[in-house]
Amino acid sequence: GQQVMQIPQYQHVQEGEDFTTYCNSSTTLSNIQWYKQRPGGHPVFLIQLVKSGEVKKQKRLTFQFGEAKKNSSLHITATQTTDVGTYFCAGPGADKLIFGTGTRLQVFP
Amino acid sequence: EAGVAQSPRYKIIEKRQSVAFWCNPISGHATLYWYQQILGQGPKLLIQFQNNGVVDDSQLPKDRFSAERLKGVDSTLKIQPAKLEDSAVYLCASSPGPFSYEQYFGPGTRLTVT
Repeated sequence: GQQVMQIPQYQHVQEGEDFTTYCNSSTTLSNIQWYKQRPGGHPVFLIQLVKSGEVKKQKRLTFQFGEAKKNSSLHITATQTTDVGTYFCAGPGADKLIFGTGTRLQVFP
Repeated sequence: EAGVAQSPRYKIIEKRQSVAFWCNPISGHATLYWYQQILGQGPKLLIQFQNNGVVDDSQLPKDRFSAERLKGVDSTLKIQPAKLEDSAVYLCASSPGPFSYEQYFGPGTRLTVT
């Protein structure tokens, strides 16, 4: 079945360093969504990308959808302690949204 | 705009007991989802409703789990009987359209089975 993998699984950074998580799908996606889940919290929708090669920015966060629409990345510039959490990508499968394996980000002050 | 509401927030039961969770989606959202999230993993879809009809329940353990969405609004998820491996957070989400749309999650119910 369709799989959505993310790397790395964990990332520890010093506050102020940059962070990137990569998302790869086994199939072409009509769109890619990104969610953030704080420790003890629930997933919160961040953004959706639809077009091939699309790049969107939200303050320090930059999201990119690959040209082949099978991969995506999330880059955070100058991380802050408020960025701590697990970042999930998700893509539509045949009949359901498939969540990636997630990347857990820890930021040390 | 009110978010997705869930109750209870926490539940501790013994194995073989039954438990029920309730979800009230965002007003006007036709699609409702129940996910199971085990610690350290991503959400796993259990069942997806479009209005009051089931769209996908392929990963719902139907011998012990059941869900309904009467009148196409609120939903309940039941486990009977519970097993130790059912310990997880049960998340309800809703979306304004089919599954390809963005989803809005409730706070979840943390279930511990002892």
